[in-house]
Amino acid sequence: NAGVTQTPKFRILKIGQSMTLQCTQDMNHNYMYWYRQDPGMGLKLIYYSVGAGITDKGEVPNGYNVSRSTTEDFPLRLELAAPSQTSVYFCASSYVQTYEQYFGPGTRLTVT
Amino acid sequence: GQQVMQIPQYQHVQEGEDFTTYCNSSTTLSNIQWYKQRPGGHPVFLIQLVKSGEVKKQKRLTFQFGEAKKNSSLHITATQTTDVGTYFCAGQNAGNNRKLIWGLGTSLAVNP
Repeated sequence: NAGVTQTPKFRILKIGQSMTLQCTQDMNHNYMYWYRQDPGMGLKLIYYSVGAGITDKGEVPNGYNVSRSTTEDFPLRLELAAPSQTSVYFCASSYVQTYEQYFGPGTRLTVT
Repeated sequence: GQQVMQIPQYQHVQEGEDFTTYCNSSTTLSNIQWYKQRPGGHPVFLIQLVKSGEVKKQKRLTFQFGEAKKNSSLHITATQTTDVGTYFCAGQNAGNNRKLIWGLGTSLAVNP
């Protein structure tokens, strides 16, 4: 099993550009999550999904969109990138909400 | 809103010294999870505590969950350079939404 995979690993965006961060898991987990982590800080939940077709906002959803068309994939869309979105983005998954979360390696995004 | 406070924010120890990080919640938790993030890496699940007063050990790591299920601690005996990283606690609230509330982490540096 590859676990949780994320692409790309690194990306530099100009202000106003858009991009999609890809996340795929092969563990047949129902729950998937997107977090951002600013330098020296903890994890902030952006969006999460409890299953295909169902998504919900976390604590910092503004400027982002998600979709969950399959169990495996949970892409995160950034529209009109802003410098405040410079961060490391982690995707995670869990079998159920009360179980441990498995994290992908992260995408390091810089918006200039 | 519900918060999970983690102290200290940073800890610098000599190799062989002990280390403890504490996690305190403003509300009762159903369970608490601990994760470790190596520098430049992603969070990796260490353990989950569910029962009031629970104590679990993993080699040199000892995890405790308070009697009131509002606090937890991670103690490392005789630290090694491989223990370097940030340790996060994440508590799941006892209500219906069961969202994971993350602490800001304790960064551990170990001098060889």
